Amino acid sequence: DSGVTQTPKHLITATGQRVTLRCSPRSGDLSVYWYQQSLDQGLQFLIQYYNGEERAKGNILERFSAQQFPDLHSELNLSSLELGDSALYFCASRSSGTDTQYFGPGTRLTVL
Amino acid sequence: DQQVKQNSPSLSVQEGRISILNCDYTNSMFDYFLWYKKYPAEGPTFLISISSIKDKNEDGRFTVFLNKSAKHLSLHIVPSQPGDSAVYFCAANYNTDKLIFGTGTRLQVFP
Repeated sequence: DSGVTQTPKHLITATGQRVTLRCSPRSGDLSVYWYQQSLDQGLQFLIQYYNGEERAKGNILERFSAQQFPDLHSELNLSSLELGDSALYFCASRSSGTDTQYFGPGTRLTVL
Repeated sequence: DQQVKQNSPSLSVQEGRISILNCDYTNSMFDYFLWYKKYPAEGPTFLISISSIKDKNEDGRFTVFLNKSAKHLSLHIVPSQPGDSAVYFCAANYNTDKLIFGTGTRLQVFP
């Protein structure tokens, strides 16, 4: 158990819909990262937040957005969903002064 | 542009033998490298890491070697156990920013 939690574990929805994925980092970790893994590919970095502020952006679509709340949990919002958005979405957290990111169990999104 | 490459999609090793997983990178700015293990339907689990100022790091059965001149790192698992069967990802970063992942190597350890 990494200490990072993600909900829901599975999400099935239709094209055009909007969903929200939630992540709670390890206790005390200020940095939260979101990654997408599609079809046995490597994990692709989407976005990073640090203590409530956006810190870095990767290959994140404009239809996707994220935020980190004062209690440090983070949400990833995916809108106008397309079939190609079906993937595993992972959240990771990192404590200050270290380089290691710890991952949650992921949310499997299926868009029908 | 694939900055981190794992050219072997799969590896099969007998129990008790050594497993060697390889990873190549192209960006000389990377200063920290990590290996993660992933089971199906679970998140990646951190295994071992190495800073670019070192060339070897060991933790129990796991050893990571870094060859900066060749931009190559490898993970050695000795002895291999059936429970090691999983997908292994190498990852790299700099400035403690995003991780750049390879595409993974599926390791199967058979009796």
